[in-house]
Amino acid sequence: AQSVTQLDSHVSVSEGTPVLLRCNYSSSYSPSLFWYVQHPNKGLQLLLKYTSAATLVKGINGFEAEFKKSETSFHLTKPSAHMSDAAEYFCVVSPQRGNTPLVFGKGTRLSVIA
Amino acid sequence: SAVISQKPSRDICQRGTSLTIQCQVDSQVTMMFWYRQQPGQSLTLIATANQGSEATYESGFVIDKFPISRPNLTFSTLTVSNMSPEDSSIYLCSVAPLAGGSELQFFGPGTRLTVL
Repeated sequence: AQSVTQLDSHVSVSEGTPVLLRCNYSSSYSPSLFWYVQHPNKGLQLLLKYTSAATLVKGINGFEAEFKKSETSFHLTKPSAHMSDAAEYFCVVSPQRGNTPLVFGKGTRLSVIA
Repeated sequence: SAVISQKPSRDICQRGTSLTIQCQVDSQVTMMFWYRQQPGQSLTLIATANQGSEATYESGFVIDKFPISRPNLTFSTLTVSNMSPEDSSIYLCSVAPLAGGSELQFFGPGTRLTVL
């Protein structure tokens, strides 16, 4: 079975400082992993995805994530936070075998302080 | 990526009534999914809607409460039946592109439902 644990429900950073949103996963198979962002009153947008290629994945808006199999982690980072990054972030896992459903983490709310 | 629209974008409904939410995609897709996001919560999959067959429901969701139609490869509807305040949520549809299986999904903007 697959599961996702987002270790922080809320992260607050100052504008211009680094962002780290933590995610650990559990999967019976080699998983695909995703980060989605949800801005207030807007739909989900795919930030980046890992599907067994390079372990360091670059996404949109300067975000990147590193797949670490030994630590079963897929943390999301950004070197310098911008006010527009304030949103809800979801870590998502999908097994690569078959069409089983996506499993969403509970989300991390990122606040950016001016 | 696919462009997905949902109607209505939001609605306020009375207890005991039903609401049908529409999801339209700008390209043909094999799989469409319906999710629920309760206030302050993550997304939970309600069902997978496949064209030409009945929807597959996840544990805790039943067809009588959430009937789904999938008449073609670009359109689906979800009905929330006999609503109660506990059904107040954002309902999102998502699609998986034809060639990619279900692991890569694109989401619609959601329908925000409030039941009084």
